Amino acid sequence: NAGVTQTPKFQVLKTGQSMTLQCAQDMNHEYMSWYRQDPGMGLRLIHYSVGAGITDQGEVPNGYNVSRSTTEDFPLRLLSAAPSQTSVYFCASYGLGEGYTFGSGTRLTVV
Amino acid sequence: DQQVKQNSPSLSVQEGRISILNCDYTNSMFDYFLWYKKYPAEGPTFLISISSIKDKNEDGRFTVFLNKSAKHLSLHIVPSQPGDSAVYFCAVNAGGTSYGKLTFGQGTILTVHP
Repeated sequence: NAGVTQTPKFQVLKTGQSMTLQCAQDMNHEYMSWYRQDPGMGLRLIHYSVGAGITDQGEVPNGYNVSRSTTEDFPLRLLSAAPSQTSVYFCASYGLGEGYTFGSGTRLTVV
Repeated sequence: DQQVKQNSPSLSVQEGRISILNCDYTNSMFDYFLWYKKYPAEGPTFLISISSIKDKNEDGRFTVFLNKSAKHLSLHIVPSQPGDSAVYFCAVNAGGTSYGKLTFGQGTILTVHP
């Protein structure tokens, strides 16, 4: 099925560890974004990309890196995980005339 | 500073009645408004949207109203069904080259009782 695929679905990290959250879409969308959802805060934009090779910061970018080497993939890297990064992470892509499609999320716990 | 606010954390309605979810925004530059529905352990799914050139958009049981002068957005669900129970987020977009960027409200938990 066409859509946005996020892996892993669940992850537990120790403080200071690094990891990459994967996001892939097969809809040939140029725009992709990463959001985090925290209780009472809604979804907040971390980073976004308007096409391969182009990324920019969102509302809460600190502690996260992104790259966009292909149209399909938009990984989110945590270089040194902190407990404040415990959250549910959603990747989304946008297609003109198609709207936004979200992945099913990655639940990350940093201990 | 929260640019998009959903001031009601939760709403409870009876099946068959109307559900009204509200959203306020601060930036008059926002030109595209969306509602998303989210079930537990799933990503948000698109429900309905409206552009700033309109004041109403309908899709079946769902209607979105936009009051630009009041910077207020509302979603009406009529009639409400138990399957509508979910978290509802309003989101706004500033348009132009910002299509990758949505600003979300905090969400409202809707519970529809049979």
